[in-house]
Amino acid sequence: QKEVEQDPGPLSVPEGAIVSLNCTYSNSAFQYFMWYRQYSRKGPELLMYTYSSGNKEDGRFTAQVDKSSKYISLFIRDSQPSDSATYLCAMSKTGANNLFFGTGTRLTVIP
Amino acid sequence: NAGVMQNPRHLVRRRGQEARLRCSPMKGHSHVYWYRQLPEEGLKFMVYLQKENIIDESGMPKERFSAEFPKEGPSILRIQQVVRGDSAAYFCASSADRGQDGYTFGSGTRLTVV
Repeated sequence: QKEVEQDPGPLSVPEGAIVSLNCTYSNSAFQYFMWYRQYSRKGPELLMYTYSSGNKEDGRFTAQVDKSSKYISLFIRDSQPSDSATYLCAMSKTGANNLFFGTGTRLTVIP
Repeated sequence: NAGVMQNPRHLVRRRGQEARLRCSPMKGHSHVYWYRQLPEEGLKFMVYLQKENIIDESGMPKERFSAEFPKEGPSILRIQQVVRGDSAAYFCASSADRGQDGYTFGSGTRLTVV
């Protein structure tokens, strides 16, 4: 079993839709949770970072962490064609040097 | 303020040759990480370095792979005697301190072994 599971999609939505992206994990030691956006042929770009459980909002993006269910989510409101990319969840343990990534969900927002 | 710079962007090597991938961290960042991304797989941690020191190489294959981050110059990921299975995108990232809350990635080097 992978430590981080993420549905690879692909996911296609019309412009303006609300997008929900999710990851599950198996290791309760994970405390730091991140979402990265990766455009084709580019490096991942950090979008959101959350420590432990709770919600965090930044513009059109909301990250949620439910540690009791080992489940994290990223919501994108009023999705735009420029949001079309692969979204990667990542997480790490306290004191660790490395991040554990999901495989990524490919999102296409159709104008 | 340049980001994390990786070169070359694309590298083609024949089986058995050596591949050298370079990474210059963001200005002010002294922590460097290397990740590998295989097709249909997530990014996998390889190694974490600070200047002149390898801190964690738990993700590095035991043979043929090595990394360094000298006092002067970029970090180097070196793959000796490349095989087809080494074909992947290799990403470098850097952070100002221990990056457990995320770090900045470069655009990657795409290695193709023919």
